[in-house]
Amino acid sequence: GENVEQHPSTLSVQEGDSAVIKCTYSDSASNYFPWYKQELGKRPQLIIDIRSNVGEKKDQRIAVTLNKTAKHFSLHITETQPEDSAVYFCAASGGFQKLVFGTGTRLLVSP
Amino acid sequence: EAGVAQSPRYKIIEKRQSVAFWCNPISGHATLYWYQQILGQGPKLLIQFQNNGVVDDSQLPKDRFSAERLKGVDSTLKIQPAKLEDSAVYLCASSRTGGFTEAFFGQGTRLTVV
Repeated sequence: GENVEQHPSTLSVQEGDSAVIKCTYSDSASNYFPWYKQELGKRPQLIIDIRSNVGEKKDQRIAVTLNKTAKHFSLHITETQPEDSAVYFCAASGGFQKLVFGTGTRLLVSP
Repeated sequence: EAGVAQSPRYKIIEKRQSVAFWCNPISGHATLYWYQQILGQGPKLLIQFQNNGVVDDSQLPKDRFSAERLKGVDSTLKIQPAKLEDSAVYLCASSRTGGFTEAFFGQGTRLTVV
């Protein structure tokens, strides 16, 4: 079945710096890759997603890139702000439409 | 549109007791997921329904966990008997058409087994 690995597990940056989180997936049939943000004690919420027919997608300070050949995708956050501090999860969906999550990255943005 | 509703929000039980969680997905969403999220970890898929059929339950501990989706709408997840390691947040999510569209999550049920 699908396996999603995520790195790093924790990431500390200064406000204004960029942050990059990387994920790899195992199922070559996967074709949908969402990213979720989870603040402490709250539900995960979608921040951006990408489908396999697109290599890159951007939404203001957030961008996601996908390399299907290498089976990895990344989240890029530019000009980080303290409110970006949260846990970020990547996920992949493909065969049988299962939605499988990575292990999470705790991002801390210091003022 | 109304979000995914879950109840209860919190539950404390003793080991070997049973417990049930309820989920009402967003209206019109065909796919319903139950995830287990242990503190500090990512959501682990327990079971995925498409309408009232099971798409995947490969990680559901079937000797103690069961789930059903009534008439393709509401769903219940049951644990009987509970173990200490079942302490976690149980998240329900729904999406329109399976794994290719946004999954919306409920607030979750925080289960503590003592």
